[in-house]
Amino acid sequence: GAVVSQHPSRVICKSGTSVKIECRSLDFQATTMFWYRQFPKQSLMLMATSNEGSKATYEQGVEKDKFLINHASLTLSTLTVTSAHPEDSSFYICSARDSGGDTEAFFGQGTRLTVV
Amino acid sequence: AQRVTQPEKLLSVFKGAPVELKCNYSYSGSPELFWYVQYSRQRLQLLLRHISRESIKGFTADLNKGETSFHLKKPFAQEEDSAMYYCALKAGGGNKLTFGTGTQLKVEL
Repeated sequence: GAVVSQHPSRVICKSGTSVKIECRSLDFQATTMFWYRQFPKQSLMLMATSNEGSKATYEQGVEKDKFLINHASLTLSTLTVTSAHPEDSSFYICSARDSGGDTEAFFGQGTRLTVV
Repeated sequence: AQRVTQPEKLLSVFKGAPVELKCNYSYSGSPELFWYVQYSRQRLQLLLRHISRESIKGFTADLNKGETSFHLKKPFAQEEDSAMYYCALKAGGGNKLTFGTGTQLKVEL
């Protein structure tokens, strides 16, 4: 099946700094990628839909200035957590759908962010 | 707005016993329903979707529009089925997946 790679898988940063998480589709092109956040023992909450070449669409309650999304190519989307605070600590997961394929979404392995 | 409900956080069964993971949804239109599975230390992956009506790893799920349910079933649980299972809904014509809270299935010997 198609592969989505996230990097880094784990990151620890200091409060006030910014962290960038990359999501790459390795063997297919993805016009659309999705960013989720998962709290411990809870479900995946969609944060935003990343669209190649245009602005991301954010879900209600998600601060777009804090969670910057860039989707500059058909195989790469990035999520930057700006001015991170401890409450931003979470598991972030991206998924991508093959532009030329069906509705199946492929998921990255996730990024564990810890803000200290 | 759509919603997916998985009432059980944890389901523990013995090997060889039948398994049913419950999923109910709320959506006024025509949904697409999915089951995703996450094995220990692995990424989320698609298990099955209602439109393909297939059986994967012995699991089946039937969309019941009257009861707004999409329960996941397997007649005989195996140890390797132990994992986290998420039910998800995609609104007809839409892009986004709405996930349930997940059910941890534990198959005991």
